[in-house]
Amino acid sequence: AQSVTQPDIHITVSEGASLELRCNYSYGATPYLFWYVQSPGQGLQLLLKYFSGDTLVQGIKGFEAEFKRSQSSFNLRKPSVHWSDAAEYFCAVGPSGSARQLTFGSGTQLTVLP
Amino acid sequence: EAGVTQSPTHLIKTRGQQATLRCSPISGHTSVYWYQQALGLGLQFLLWYDEGEERNRGNFPPRFSGRQFPNYSSELNVNALELEDSALYLCADRRRPGGTDTQYFGPGTRLTVL
Repeated sequence: AQSVTQPDIHITVSEGASLELRCNYSYGATPYLFWYVQSPGQGLQLLLKYFSGDTLVQGIKGFEAEFKRSQSSFNLRKPSVHWSDAAEYFCAVGPSGSARQLTFGSGTQLTVLP
Repeated sequence: EAGVTQSPTHLIKTRGQQATLRCSPISGHTSVYWYQQALGLGLQFLLWYDEGEERNRGNFPPRFSGRQFPNYSSELNVNALELEDSALYLCADRRRPGGTDTQYFGPGTRLTVL
């Protein structure tokens, strides 16, 4: 069965600092990986996804993520955080090539200090 | 591109009542997913409908049920409401932008059970 772990429940960074949110997955074959962001009381917005090919993927809002098969990780990064990035971030995994059954991590709450 | 729509935005019910939540995928997309996001519990998969049929169900009691209509919109019904049913209920459809399968979320319905 597929599973996702986001080890950090809450992260605080200062505006302008770099950010890395961790995501570890468990899946037998090549996974299909996603990062979503959720502002308070809102739905989830897709930031980026990995399905094959280049292991460094670029997303919206200046985010990127790197797929590392050897570490079963798909960490999300941003070089310089803006106050508007404060939100909850969810990593998700699906079976190869399909989003028909996604499993979500428990989320990481990001606070940005001025 | 239009997004997934959900109604109502907020719903307040009392214990023992029934709640009905609605979701419309963007036109022509046949898959609808329902998730429950209760405080502190992350995103829990509830139901998946495709082409009018229930395709999969999460670990929820039978009082959570739903259906999908011929136009692919969907309804989630929660009977005999309990206090712990208070949550944000999210709906997603499934699309293939650029050939890659992805779930896209609506804004959610906030259900409060008093």
